Amino acid sequence: DIVMIQSPDSLAVSLGERATINCKSTQSVFYNTDNKNYLAWYQQKPGQPPKLLLYWASTRESGVPDRFSGSGSGTDFTLTISSLQAEDVAVYYCQQYYTTQWTFGQGTKLEI
Amino acid sequence: EVQLVESGGGLVKPGGSLRLSCAASGLTFSHAWMIWVRQAPGKGLEWVGRIKSDTDGGTTDYAAPVRGRFTISRDDSKNTLYLQMNSLKTEDTAVYYCHFTSHAPVFIDYWGQGALVTVSS
Repeated sequence: DIVMIQSPDSLAVSLGERATINCKSTQSVFYNTDNKNYLAWYQQKPGQPPKLLLYWASTRESGVPDRFSGSGSGTDFTLTISSLQAEDVAVYYCQQYYTTQWTFGQGTKLEI
Repeated sequence: EVQLVESGGGLVKPGGSLRLSCAASGLTFSHAWMIWVRQAPGKGLEWVGRIKSDTDGGTTDYAAPVRGRFTISRDDSKNTLYLQMNSLKTEDTAVYYCHFTSHAPVFIDYWGQGALVTVSS
């Protein structure tokens, strides 16, 4: 199985500042046939199911603010929140859907 | 609007069994590949397994910790997904989410609110 490793485990950022979360996979999640990275980012707030933020590593889900962006390819990916808002406090997960068994990173807790 | 509603959670003793259901609406269920994801208290998300649509073979895949103990099935006539959990362990205690995602032609993603399963003596 592909193991997804996020860093850091927790992060405190001031309002209006940039937050960066990294995700590394133990094997590439890039498919040459369609030129896509099979990686998604989710946001989860307490007591709620996860919410999709980004897919194909960098495509923003409809309705997600443009302060959220994703980058990277192959095995190394980054989620960036350009200007942190109070409502962004949550746990963030990366997930690969490249292999038959999908796997999540361990999560990064983002605080103000 | 897609809705996924889990039911069947509760308290069960170690070694026992439980079946979760997920009632789906607002989607063409028979064409959907359906997924179960769980989250232990205070822990991260863990992919449990998936069932393909019958038109795509209806096959299942499972994460290693549940393989051989859990079985995912579906009843397309009832638009319902199931998770049969046998030989339950205390480490199976979690909120179990029903998840529908499709990657083509557009990427869509829906989650239920979850069902809590507690395995304790």
